Amino acid sequence: GESVGLHLPTLSVQEGDNSIINCAYSNSASDYFIWYKQESGKGPQFIIDIRSNMDKRQGQRVTVLLNKTVKHLSLQIAATQPGDSAVYFCAENRAKAAGNKLTFGGGTRVLVKP
Amino acid sequence: DTAVSQTPKYLVTQMGNDKSIKCEQNLGHDTMYWYKQDSKKFLKIMFSYNNKELIINETVPNRFSPKSPDKAHLNLHINSLELGDSAVYFCASSPPRGGYTFGSGTRLTVV
Repeated sequence: GESVGLHLPTLSVQEGDNSIINCAYSNSASDYFIWYKQESGKGPQFIIDIRSNMDKRQGQRVTVLLNKTVKHLSLQIAATQPGDSAVYFCAENRAKAAGNKLTFGGGTRVLVKP
Repeated sequence: DTAVSQTPKYLVTQMGNDKSIKCEQNLGHDTMYWYKQDSKKFLKIMFSYNNKELIINETVPNRFSPKSPDKAHLNLHINSLELGDSAVYFCASSPPRGGYTFGSGTRLTVV
């Protein structure tokens, strides 16, 4: 999503519910996608990745879905926990991009309510 | 044992000063990066080095000069600091076609 003013898009979710974070990308040549989690005061941390030859990949409590037709990526977090509160970024990469450049989306803040 | 470590964590300095941020990785990666994160949390690449060679320079002012003495280190020197340089700077490293491992960031405040 797009940042509005100084505020990140925020997703408030009840503890135990599932979270879905969405990301749109613009470059149809992108073939590698990553989700990162950034907690306050820390650097972004790798969560899960997916290559363009797949449309779904699962990790521990997380699933990434890729829809290349509409250039859309989503991250699903199952049974959201307080420790999932953070800013989440999607990032894209192209095989022919020099220097393994990752281009990041604007970020979504997830707030988990107890 | 920290994989990507950068120092200092906080840096407060006056306009016009010159400062450096250091970064080291022990992951054996060939590629290292500097990213800038602004107050809206937007992450933008500044530089990429592969085995000490500059690969990406994303229209960063000449006041910013990266230096890579070896493939495990990528330092960032900033001359004549300006108010607009205030941000969080992240170092990262990666394998050739993989995700990055980021450092914990350096919060630079120019007053």
